[in-house]
Amino acid sequence: EDQVTQSPEALRLQEGESSSLNCSYTVSGLRGLFWYRQDPGKGPEFLFTLYSAGEEKEKERLKATLTKKESFLHITAPKPEDSATYLCAVLSGSRLTFGEGTQLTVNP
Amino acid sequence: DAGVTQSPTHLIKTRGQHVTLRCSPISGHKSVSWYQQVLGQGPQFIFQYYEKEERGRGNFPDRFSARQFPNYSSELNVNALLLGDSALYLCASSLVGTEDSPLHFGNGTRLTVT
Repeated sequence: EDQVTQSPEALRLQEGESSSLNCSYTVSGLRGLFWYRQDPGKGPEFLFTLYSAGEEKEKERLKATLTKKESFLHITAPKPEDSATYLCAVLSGSRLTFGEGTQLTVNP
Repeated sequence: DAGVTQSPTHLIKTRGQHVTLRCSPISGHKSVSWYQQVLGQGPQFIFQYYEKEERGRGNFPDRFSARQFPNYSSELNVNALLLGDSALYLCASSLVGTEDSPLHFGNGTRLTVT
């Protein structure tokens, strides 16, 4: 059974304080690893797809990396508007299996 | 461009009733998936439909059913509602049913069962 574990569950940062979120996964036949951002009361918003170990993708202050067992979402010099829940998911077959998310709060 | 639209946005039902949730995918997207998100947890896969055929089903009881229409919109039906069915129901669409096309989610239907 596919499993995704995200850590930490919650993270509080000061504006400008860089950090990383972790996503560990166990999957039979990884077809892609996805990062989403979810704001309260909204659906998840797509950020990145990673397909193979060593791959990296960047978008503004976010950079996602992938190894054979985990992925990291690095947040550089975060701003209050980066506050959200960040979800990691693995694609196996036709389904995405999500982790429980990391709730990020960035204080001004 | 309109994103994935879901209706209704909120719904309150009583135990034992049934409910129908609706989803319109992004224009041009042929695949629709349904997910259930309980408060504080990540979304859980319920169904995927591609070209009007069921392509995947998660670990949900037969009380849950879905279908996709010729215009690629979709309905999720839940019968004999239980308190535990209270959740945010998310619909997502993608161009095709493969890993090359990321899922784009709607803002969900918040279902409360009392």
